[in-house]
Amino acid sequence: AQKVTQAQTEISVVEKEDVTLDCVYETRDTTYYLFWYKQPPSGELVFLIRRNSFDEQNEISGRYSWNFQKSTSSFNFTITASQVVDSAVYFCALMGFSGGYQKVTFGTGTKLQVIP
Amino acid sequence: EAGVVQSPRYKIIEKKQPVAFWCNPISGHNTLYWYRQNLGQGPELLIRYENEEAVDDSQLPKDRFSAERLKGVDSTLKIQPAELGDSAVYLCASSLKREWFSYNEQFFGPGTRLTVL
Repeated sequence: AQKVTQAQTEISVVEKEDVTLDCVYETRDTTYYLFWYKQPPSGELVFLIRRNSFDEQNEISGRYSWNFQKSTSSFNFTITASQVVDSAVYFCALMGFSGGYQKVTFGTGTKLQVIP
Repeated sequence: EAGVVQSPRYKIIEKKQPVAFWCNPISGHNTLYWYRQNLGQGPELLIRYENEEAVDDSQLPKDRFSAERLKGVDSTLKIQPAELGDSAVYLCASSLKREWFSYNEQFFGPGTRLTVL
């Protein structure tokens, strides 16, 4: 069985503050992928990043950065200098192979509110 | 490039009525997913297709839910009869799977919000 835990249900920050969204996962698979998606108020999930289990390099894309640590089974997401447009629900997801099936598990999401 | 298209966007029905949702994936994407998202929760996979084949329907409540993907392109998800607990957003996503071990990112449609009264 695989599991994704996003312990932070809601976070509020003031614009220009940095914020980190936590994601902890559980899996027995040796090959798996981790994803982050953004779901703005409009409702459509938007892909942000994919990481495979063999690539622990951290990644930075503009104001976004991701920290993948297999030792702690975490894949955290940091937004630097947050903006009002970052307000959304963010989902961490895990895709692995289990019993011949590709298993997809999403976390329960973290609602980020950026206050102007 | 056109995104994933879903219709209708909203549907309100009375319990015990049937309902169907339609999804047109991104052109060329061989993998199609149907998810259900309850309020305040993450998406839960219902079924996954690779081309025409349903390769994972372990989470689909088969007593009332059915799905099809004719010709490996469009897909329809049906509920018959609907129950109050089926109220949720139904999301369709597609991706391009190149090798057996490649898990490419999914592109999601806007979803269909179902309300069962």
